[in-house]
Amino acid sequence: GAVVSQHPSRVICKSGTSVKIECRSLDFQATTMFWYRQFPKQSLMLMATSNEGSKATYEQGVEKDKFLINHASLTLSTLTVTSAHPEDSSFYICSVPGLSSGANVLTFGAGSRLTVL
Amino acid sequence: QQQVKQSPQSLIVQKGGISIINCAYENTAFDYFPWYQQFPGKGPALLIAIRPDVSEKKEGRFTISFNKSAKQFSLHIMDSQPGDSATYFCAASQGYNFNKFYFGSGTKLNVKP
Repeated sequence: GAVVSQHPSRVICKSGTSVKIECRSLDFQATTMFWYRQFPKQSLMLMATSNEGSKATYEQGVEKDKFLINHASLTLSTLTVTSAHPEDSSFYICSVPGLSSGANVLTFGAGSRLTVL
Repeated sequence: QQQVKQSPQSLIVQKGGISIINCAYENTAFDYFPWYQQFPGKGPALLIAIRPDVSEKKEGRFTISFNKSAKQFSLHIMDSQPGDSATYFCAASQGYNFNKFYFGSGTKLNVKP
């Protein structure tokens, strides 16, 4: 599978500000990346599919204007949480899909803990 | 509707014991069943995976048992160690539809020394 780097690992911001999270595929050119959100003690919820060179595909109920996704290159996708509010505090994780031994494999980044004060 | 149901929610096992986590699914089109291990503050990491053409897959102390007719699969951790303490997620997917990766609700495993 791919090697995925996510930055920052932790970020604290004031309500109303915007925060950008980066996801890099270090050894694999990814035309697609996925962004997940995870609340404490809960499972991973797919937020959106990031597509290189085109618009992201958002899951039902995810505000596209709140969570801006940019996939400018084959190795970088960014998630910007705009006008963040305390309810946006969560653990955000990106993942890169790939194939290993004929199986579809999702490789996850280490995640970014966002705390909005 | 939850595509993959996982139990138990939490599990406490003594060191050296066997940890068993169960998952069930409904969609018979699923053809790939991975298990992910997640430590606090980290992203999930692929632990082991199975396809429905086999009933069991073993990698070291970790074994997946798969029952296609019952639409169930389970993770067995033999000789459980404190370092295995983590949250485990089962998942299911179909073909190469990565955006259709369905995760279970997770099981927090605590292995007591």
